[in-house]
Amino acid sequence: GQSLEQPSEVTAVEGAIVQINCTYQTSGFYGLSWYQQHDGGAPTFLSYNGLDGLEETGRFSSFLSRSDSYGYLLLQELQMKDSASYFCAVRDSTGGFKTIFGAGTRLFVKA
Amino acid sequence: DTGVSQDPRHKITKRGQNVTFRCDPISEHNRLYWYRQTLGQGPEFLTYFQNEAQLEKSRLLSDRFSAERPKGSFSTLEIQRTEQGDSAMYLCASSSGQGVEKLFFGSGTQLSVL
Repeated sequence: GQSLEQPSEVTAVEGAIVQINCTYQTSGFYGLSWYQQHDGGAPTFLSYNGLDGLEETGRFSSFLSRSDSYGYLLLQELQMKDSASYFCAVRDSTGGFKTIFGAGTRLFVKA
Repeated sequence: DTGVSQDPRHKITKRGQNVTFRCDPISEHNRLYWYRQTLGQGPEFLTYFQNEAQLEKSRLLSDRFSAERPKGSFSTLEIQRTEQGDSAMYLCASSSGQGVEKLFFGSGTQLSVL
């Protein structure tokens, strides 16, 4: 089976940097993605790491270490609108490359 | 590209009734997923399709749940003999299946079983 662990909640102030960690266990790891979900909205794709290293997309960066089964999402220059839930998700090759989500990290950005 | 659409947006039903939800994926996408989400939790994988083929169904899913994707276009998710524990948001997502797996989600169907 698969399992993902991420903190349930993180609080940070506007303008700061926050890192959301994710550890995973899966027998057929293929890649790690991050999704953002605002209250009442649908999850939206943020980033994907298939190989070790850092991927940068504007204020958001994502990192993967396959040997440590670990990744993180880094959010810089936090804005109030970044308050949302953030999910890491593994693409698992067992059964045909499905995507499995973690329980999510609720980010609160304070003024 | 009109995005992923789901119908209905809300469904209230009595315990024991059958319900069916529909998902229309982005037209050129060949992969279609169904997830279930409850408050404060991540999307829970239910099943997914590559074109019309159902490639995997979650082992946690009871036999009351069934999904179809005739002709590899829209998909339906049916829940028979609904139970109160089935109350959740049912999300559909699609992807092109090419390159990076990027899921596009619909707005979901909120099911309430009374």
